[in-house]
Amino acid sequence: DQQVKQNSPSLSVQEGRISILNCDYTNSMFDYFLWYKKYPAEGPTFLISISSIKDKNEDGRFTVFLNKSAKHLSLHIVPSQPGDSAVYFCAASDVNSGSARQLTFGSGTQLTVLP
Amino acid sequence: DGGITQSPKYLFRKEGQNVTLSCEQNLNHDAMYWYRQDPGQGLRLIYYSQIVNDFQKGDIAEGYSVSREKKESFPLTVTSAQKNPTAFYLCASSIAGVQPQHFGDGTRLSIL
Repeated sequence: DQQVKQNSPSLSVQEGRISILNCDYTNSMFDYFLWYKKYPAEGPTFLISISSIKDKNEDGRFTVFLNKSAKHLSLHIVPSQPGDSAVYFCAASDVNSGSARQLTFGSGTQLTVLP
Repeated sequence: DGGITQSPKYLFRKEGQNVTLSCEQNLNHDAMYWYRQDPGQGLRLIYYSQIVNDFQKGDIAEGYSVSREKKESFPLTVTSAQKNPTAFYLCASSIAGVQPQHFGDGTRLSIL
């Protein structure tokens, strides 16, 4: 049973346009959400996060939106750049997972930004 | 530079052999984690450790073992009991109770 779902395996956008990556979750105990970016043969790199007490968090070109009632979050990248081409993973942390704060990951979305 | 070092980058194992993947961090993090990634899938948690000499099973611990004798080190052993060990293995660490987790660059394990 996938608790974190990224239903789009791939997304292509033109350079300079907005990229919107989506993520849905089923566990209502998730209280912290993160986005990671991953290049081939490398480990994931933390991008941005949001606590369940917020509905939006911005960091430069990256904004994450959280809709708790719909159990949905999205990552917006504006403007998109060719260097943003990577796999993006959504991850969630359960308030009951204790001090280790285990993460549950989605299956990832491959973003390709076309020049 | 602080970070997480995983070695080797590529590893080959014969059927029936145990193999150990190394993970070292100099971030002074208390918590360390091991994940497995298969093609087209997300990361799945194998084991995690919150402090030295303590570790817990994750979602897919069968066929794996770990030790945490030092704060900096969290080696993962893939045993012969793991029937499908071919995968990309990622180690991560974090301040206990705090996100985000920081990842190493992974070890790709293949069966000969």
